[in-house]
Amino acid sequence: AQKVTQAQTEISVVEKEDVTLDCVYETRDTTYYLFWYKQPPSGELVFLIRRNSFDEQNEISGRYSWNFQKSTSSFNFTITASQVVDSAVYFCALTGSYNTDKLIFGTGTRLQVFP
Amino acid sequence: NAGVMQNPRHLVRRRGQEARLRCSPMKGHSHVYWYRQLPEEGLKFMVYLQKENIIDESGMPKERFSAEFPKEGPSILRIQQVVRGDSAAYFCASSPPQDSYGYTFGSGTRLTVV
Repeated sequence: AQKVTQAQTEISVVEKEDVTLDCVYETRDTTYYLFWYKQPPSGELVFLIRRNSFDEQNEISGRYSWNFQKSTSSFNFTITASQVVDSAVYFCALTGSYNTDKLIFGTGTRLQVFP
Repeated sequence: NAGVMQNPRHLVRRRGQEARLRCSPMKGHSHVYWYRQLPEEGLKFMVYLQKENIIDESGMPKERFSAEFPKEGPSILRIQQVVRGDSAAYFCASSPPQDSYGYTFGSGTRLTVV
């Protein structure tokens, strides 16, 4: 069965520190997608990235970067030079079994960035 | 192009009442999904619908919960005889037929049962 584990429940950093949020997944599918979402205190879900299982290239978008390692079933998310506005809960998600379109979410990591 | 619209944003119901949550998908999106987020937890899939069809309801509680996506109008998640444990944030997402994982989430409805 599909599963997403975000072992870090809460992380606190000081502004300008780099921080990495871990995501480990389990799936028997050979084709799947991985996602990261941000949920700020206002509560909405903000899409950050979607990655196809066949594309193992790391991705960088401004201060955000993602490291996809199929060998360890991990899809980690790094924020460089963190800012107070990065404070949020971050969710990693995995597509469900091949014949459904649902997402399996991890339990989230709450990131607090202090000034 | 408006995003996924959910209303109401906040809903308060007394135990035993009915709750109706509405979701209007993005224009051109024919797939609708409902997820529930209990306090301090991640999102859990509830149901996947296409116009007039329930495709996957494996995450729906067996009783009191129902969902529809009629030919005209928004998708509705209906909770009958609400209990305190139904208090949660309910998120709707939609995706286009050509990219079923191209999710766009709405801002959610926060249901509080008092």
